[in-house]
Amino acid sequence: EPEVTQTPSHQVTQMGQEVILRCVPISNHLYFYWYRQILGQKVEFLVSFYNNEISEKSEIFDDQFSVERPDGSNFTLKIRSTKLEDSAMYFCASSGQGSAEAFFGQGTRLTVV
Amino acid sequence: KNEVEQSPQNLTAQEGEFITINCSYSVGISALHWLQQHPGGGIVSLFMLSSGKKKHGRLIATINIQEKHSSLHITASHPRDSAVYICAVRSNYQLIWGAGTKLIIKP
Repeated sequence: EPEVTQTPSHQVTQMGQEVILRCVPISNHLYFYWYRQILGQKVEFLVSFYNNEISEKSEIFDDQFSVERPDGSNFTLKIRSTKLEDSAMYFCASSGQGSAEAFFGQGTRLTVV
Repeated sequence: KNEVEQSPQNLTAQEGEFITINCSYSVGISALHWLQQHPGGGIVSLFMLSSGKKKHGRLIATINIQEKHSSLHITASHPRDSAVYICAVRSNYQLIWGAGTKLIIKP
């Protein structure tokens, strides 16, 4: 069964460092998403991406964040200068159409120290 | 006010009981999702529905668009059903998430 894969599963980084979280969506999907979940809180939308551009983003997704689909298979989330409050579980998801069911990766737990 | 409200927040039941988790929302939506999150954090999509009712195994999801309300039912609950169940509504390109219902099924 096709699945969304995320790497790494856990990343620890020092405050101020850049991190790149990687996702491989399901191969024929066209819509890609990033969500995050701070420990003990609900999942929050970060950004959606379609046709090589951002289609929607939340207030959380400020200039420190960027997304890219560099090679047609990977979908990455970059945080330029991490802050302690960026510590969270980051989920990638993809769907075949914008209104279709989304499939989620297992998440990357980011810990900023 | 939260756009997606779930109840209850926590639910503990005995194996075999019929479980109902409720979700109310206040925004216009194109679809509603029920998802399951296990202790390790992974999220699995259970249902996506925009009207009526869907059934998969022991899970049933219903939605009433007029009342902006959905329910997730689990029949013959089992300890392996223990997880956090999350309602999320699709509005434009994003999912707006509820806070989740933590379900514990005791043997």
